[in-house]
Amino acid sequence: GAVVSQHPSWVICKSGTSVKIECRSLDFQATTMFWYRQFPKQSLMLMATSNEGSKATYEQGVEKDKFLINHASLTLSTLTVTSAHPEDSSFYICSARLAGGGRGEQFFGPGTRLTVL
Amino acid sequence: DQQVKQNSPSLSVQEGRISILNCDYTNSMFDYFLWYKKYPAEGPTFLISISSIKDKNEDGRFTVFLNKSAKHLSLHIVPSQPGDSAVYFCAASARNSGNTPLVFGKGTRLSVIA
Repeated sequence: GAVVSQHPSWVICKSGTSVKIECRSLDFQATTMFWYRQFPKQSLMLMATSNEGSKATYEQGVEKDKFLINHASLTLSTLTVTSAHPEDSSFYICSARLAGGGRGEQFFGPGTRLTVL
Repeated sequence: DQQVKQNSPSLSVQEGRISILNCDYTNSMFDYFLWYKKYPAEGPTFLISISSIKDKNEDGRFTVFLNKSAKHLSLHIVPSQPGDSAVYFCAASARNSGNTPLVFGKGTRLSVIA
């Protein structure tokens, strides 16, 4: 149980285009999902906390107009990288917590590798 | 201010020996601790956890020890296997943290040498 999927697993796009990444909790409901990015050989960096039915909470230094987050249902959150540039190339990982419980575990998706040319 | 610290960015261990990964925390409100394992180009996977009411939790080859007075925990892997080579993240949460994310350390890259 507690499986989180991400789609796509990798994407290559041209500079200036927008890319949408989906994060789904497959067998549980998640009122809260988290979006991370990881640069090569670096730690996980929390970008934002996504709450179902409300606005996302962004970490300091993360542009909310560039990284649009929508958490439309208890099983789906999307991250849209708008007007992507090469510096946005990274590994993006989502994570979800069980709704109404879950002492602390976060379940992670497999990640999405974004390459902006 | 880093609340969860993994001071060793990397560790190399011979196959069959014990791997010990360390983690320190500063927030005394933390009462639940987790270890995640991450392979390149994959998401982290949950490995083992421990509540602050315990000082040890064991699951197969993996044991986590918690020393609350020292605000220190460690993950022991014995015997170490080449497949254990990965980055290990320590994470922590507080009882009343609500929907705030786990606080992660920066990770320790473990290399198990055959």
